[in-house]
Amino acid sequence: DTGVSQDPRHKITKRGQNVTFRCDPISEHNRLYWYRQTLGQGPEFLTYFQNEAQLEKSRLLSDRFSAERPKGSFSTLEIQRTEQGDSAMYLCASSPRQAAYEQYFGPGTRLTVT
Amino acid sequence: AQRVTQPEKLLSVFKGAPVELKCNYSYSGSPELFWYVQYSRQRLQLLLRHISRESIKGFTADLNKGETSFHLKKPFAQEEDSAMYYCALSPTGFQKLVFGTGTRLLVSP
Repeated sequence: DTGVSQDPRHKITKRGQNVTFRCDPISEHNRLYWYRQTLGQGPEFLTYFQNEAQLEKSRLLSDRFSAERPKGSFSTLEIQRTEQGDSAMYLCASSPRQAAYEQYFGPGTRLTVT
Repeated sequence: AQRVTQPEKLLSVFKGAPVELKCNYSYSGSPELFWYVQYSRQRLQLLLRHISRESIKGFTADLNKGETSFHLKKPFAQEEDSAMYYCALSPTGFQKLVFGTGTRLLVSP
């Protein structure tokens, strides 16, 4: 098990385009989280899944953002009509049922909107 | 409101000096407090959890509910401690982490 993986690692897109990121959690981790991190800030919570159910969404997650975890395994985060303010590092994390407090982070996807 | 404050963006010390990275929080309930660390070119990873009361890599952190603080301490810093340190709280149920802005620790030889 190589840990949480995210794809792509880097994405450059033009304003107004749609982008989709993928996160593969550690196998058998039932909880999956998405965070966004901008320069000089700590990660900010976006949304959280327990198995396939999306249980919490931040107010940061505007209607242009949508996340899914269809089979309770991998997750996707889609941003529609990207804006320059969406430029950030998007982090995914997962945690196991027996130790929900410990979140294992992926390497992140760096999005640049030009 | 849930908030974590790390007042120092950068803390620079010499090897062997004591280190204290400050963290204050605000939360109306009883949160779980954590320190996460990110070494150069590595992922964010859990360093300490307040409930475990462990010493990890020589670091300790004590939760002070009266002062709503969770400062990270190490008596003798090592060069390999150089990293970005984030204090975080989790509201009841571990549904998310609320992070501070982070403190970069630089330990010089």
